[in-house]
Amino acid sequence: GQSLEQPSEVTAVEGAIVQINCTYQTSGFYGLSWYQQHDGGAPTFLSYNALDGLEETGRFSSFLSRSDSYGYLLLQELQMKDSASYFCAVRDRGSNYQLIWGAGTKLIIKP
Amino acid sequence: GAGVSQTPSNKVTEKGKYVELRCDPISGHTALYWYRQSLGQGPEFLIYFQGTGAADDSGLPNDRFFAVRPEGSVSTLKIQRTERGDSAVYLCASSLRPGLAGNYNEQFFGPGTRLTVL
Repeated sequence: GQSLEQPSEVTAVEGAIVQINCTYQTSGFYGLSWYQQHDGGAPTFLSYNALDGLEETGRFSSFLSRSDSYGYLLLQELQMKDSASYFCAVRDRGSNYQLIWGAGTKLIIKP
Repeated sequence: GAGVSQTPSNKVTEKGKYVELRCDPISGHTALYWYRQSLGQGPEFLIYFQGTGAADDSGLPNDRFFAVRPEGSVSTLKIQRTERGDSAVYLCASSLRPGLAGNYNEQFFGPGTRLTVL
């Protein structure tokens, strides 16, 4: 079957850097995506990695290592508005290419 | 342009009743997805439409759940004989036609319908 693991909660200070890890176990991996969801809001797309390496988009970067079945989301220069839940989600052949989602990491930012 | 819209935003019903949840996707998006999200969990895939047809309904939990998209735009998720365990936020998302492997089209989510079954 498929499973994803990410920390349930991470705390960081405004202006700092934080890394949210995601490990996955799937039968036919195609890519790893990251979504942000504020309390009561809809998930919004952040990034997608199909190949190994680092993808950078402004303050956010996402990394993938297919050999390690591991990825992470890196958030730099944290702002209070970054307080949200962050989900990793895998596209997998075993799930007909649908997204399989982790349980999410709640990021708490302190001033 | 308008994003994905869902109605109603909240629905309270009694156990055993029938409910319909509506999703209006972004214009031009041929792919439409329904998810269910419980508190503290990630979205759980229910069904995927490509155009008018259900390309993948493997996530529907049982035959009480059904969804349609008759004209390839608006979709309705229908739940019969609701149970307390159906209480969750039902999310709809749309995207351009997804491809395989590295061809990924991001999904745009609506605000969700919070369903409470008493």
